[in-house]
Amino acid sequence: AQSVTQLDSQVPVFEEAPVELRCNYSSSVSVYLFWYVQYPNQGLQLLLKYLSGSTLVKGINGFEAEFNKSQTSFHLRKPSVHISDTAEYFCAVSLRRAGSYQLTFGKGTKLSVIP
Amino acid sequence: GAGVSQTPSNKVTEKGKYVELRCDPISGHTALYWYRQSLGQGPEFLIYFQGTGAADDSGLPNDRFFAVRPEGSVSTLKIQRTERGDSAVYLCASSRDQKETQYFGPGTRLLVL
Repeated sequence: AQSVTQLDSQVPVFEEAPVELRCNYSSSVSVYLFWYVQYPNQGLQLLLKYLSGSTLVKGINGFEAEFNKSQTSFHLRKPSVHISDTAEYFCAVSLRRAGSYQLTFGKGTKLSVIP
Repeated sequence: GAGVSQTPSNKVTEKGKYVELRCDPISGHTALYWYRQSLGQGPEFLIYFQGTGAADDSGLPNDRFFAVRPEGSVSTLKIQRTERGDSAVYLCASSRDQKETQYFGPGTRLLVL
């Protein structure tokens, strides 16, 4: 079975500072990788995804993530955060296998941007 | 266009009661997923529909949980004899096809007293 680990449950960061949210996964088969964001009182929104090709993936709102197969990681980064980035971020995987596209999520990382 | 909608947004019920949660997917999306998000946790997969059929129900916790999608569009998640441990946010997601990006609804917050 696959699993996702987000080591940091909460990350405080000052406005305009860079941030990295860590995600590691384990799976016996190849996976697709995703980052979703959940703003307060809203649904999950896709930030970016890795399916194949270039290991550096760019998403919305200036976020990017890099797939590292040897370290089984998919860390999310942003060079300069804004107050509006305050939200909870979820890393997720799905298997590269027909009929098994449901997402397995990590427990989430709450990003708090401090003015 | 319209996104995934879920009704009700909040549901309070008493232990032992029956509840139904509804999901309206994005028009034309053939794949539909239900997830459950407990406090402080990430969403957990419950069941996946491709068209009208449940292609994978391996995430349903027990036989008190059941879901249908009779016409391949709207889906209803049904919970019998609710327990306090069923309290959570129930999320629905749809995608154009099973391999495509999943779009999530706002969720139904269920509280079992």
